[in-house]
Amino acid sequence: QKEVEQDPGPLSVPEGAIVSLNCTYSNSAFQYFMWYRQYSRKGPELLMYTYSSGNKEDGRFTAQVDKSSKYISLFIRDSQPSDSATYLCATLRGSYIPTFGRGTSLIVHP
Amino acid sequence: DGGITQSPKYLFRKEGQNVTLSCEQNLNHDAMYWYRQDPGQGLRLIYYSQIVNDFQKGDIAEGYSVSREKKESFPLTVTSAQKNPTAFYLCASSRNEKLFFGSGTQLSVL
Repeated sequence: QKEVEQDPGPLSVPEGAIVSLNCTYSNSAFQYFMWYRQYSRKGPELLMYTYSSGNKEDGRFTAQVDKSSKYISLFIRDSQPSDSATYLCATLRGSYIPTFGRGTSLIVHP
Repeated sequence: DGGITQSPKYLFRKEGQNVTLSCEQNLNHDAMYWYRQDPGQGLRLIYYSQIVNDFQKGDIAEGYSVSREKKESFPLTVTSAQKNPTAFYLCASSRNEKLFFGSGTQLSVL
């Protein structure tokens, strides 16, 4: 079983929609959770970072962690065509080594 | 400007040849990482280094080698033993569990 599972999509939505991106993870000991955004053939950039359970909001983005179900989510409000990218969820396994999901490709069409 | 510089942007390898990908950072981070990304796949860890003169194998180290002689530099050599080297290679460094990535090197086989 992979440590982080993520549906690769693609997920296609109209401009202005609320987007929900999701991942599951295997180890209940994981505490740190991150979302990275990657534009085509570029390096990923850190979008959201959360520790343990709960919600964190930053502008149009909300990251949510549900440790009871080992489920992490990223919500994007008022989605824009510029949000079209691949979104990677990640966590830290032993020795704080980052491990990533496969990434979900998001397409926001005007 | 602080950041991570990867070079070259594109690299071509002939059969039986070793090639080296460069990664330099001026963020003063202790930890550095190399990831491989294949189309539709997430990031897979090749090697990581948490301190100068020390490095550890990641999940897919076979056919690769690294060195960490200076804090700011973490070059990756793709050896002839790596039979399927075509991929997008990403270097990263970290502080406080947050990864910062370079812009990547696309390696192809001639």
